[in-house]
Amino acid sequence: AQKVTQAQTEISVVEKEDVTLDCVYETRDTTYYLFWYKQPPSGELVFLIRRNSFDEQNEISGRYSWNFQKSTSSFNFTITASQVVDSAVYFCALRGRGSTLGRLYFGRGTQLTVWP
Amino acid sequence: NAGVTQTPKFQVLKTGQSMTLQCAQDMNHEYMSWYRQDPGMGLRLIHYSVGAGITDQGEVPNGYNVSRSTTEDFPLRLLSAAPSQTSVYFCASSYDQETQYFGPGTRLLVL
Repeated sequence: AQKVTQAQTEISVVEKEDVTLDCVYETRDTTYYLFWYKQPPSGELVFLIRRNSFDEQNEISGRYSWNFQKSTSSFNFTITASQVVDSAVYFCALRGRGSTLGRLYFGRGTQLTVWP
Repeated sequence: NAGVTQTPKFQVLKTGQSMTLQCAQDMNHEYMSWYRQDPGMGLRLIHYSVGAGITDQGEVPNGYNVSRSTTEDFPLRLLSAAPSQTSVYFCASSYDQETQYFGPGTRLLVL
């Protein structure tokens, strides 16, 4: 079974605060891929990052960083010094090698609101 | 490149009407898929295609048909719309069946 849990439904922060979005996944596959997508108020889905199960190195891209820990089945996303433009729904997704070809399993999303 | 394009952006249908949601990509991706997004549900896979002439069902295929006559296009057909099909529909494409790039979405309301 493949499952992604984003326990935080909504998060509100004030600009310049750091914020971490949690993602916990379940899979029996030994090879899998994890993703984060951003959905701004305009509605499109923007790809942010893909991480392979055999690569546990953390990644940093500007103000964004991702912490992948296989031991806890987590793939958390941190925004440093948040900005109003970061306000969006963020989805974590899983693609297991044993799942339907190409199918992504999405979490229910975390609504992030950054106040000025 | 335009990426993944979808038309229309918005559509209102009456129960029982049929329509086709269009999806096109200009990245020469073999893999394309359709998802629907419902409030609090994330996205769920409807149908997918690994290349021209090849399609298969996803998680929630009932009430939808697809075809893939060219690499570029992957239309989604609603044969007889039902209120339960009110949703936002996203088309996606991928070069490696892993990282998927989504179109802007079509918002559908069935009355």
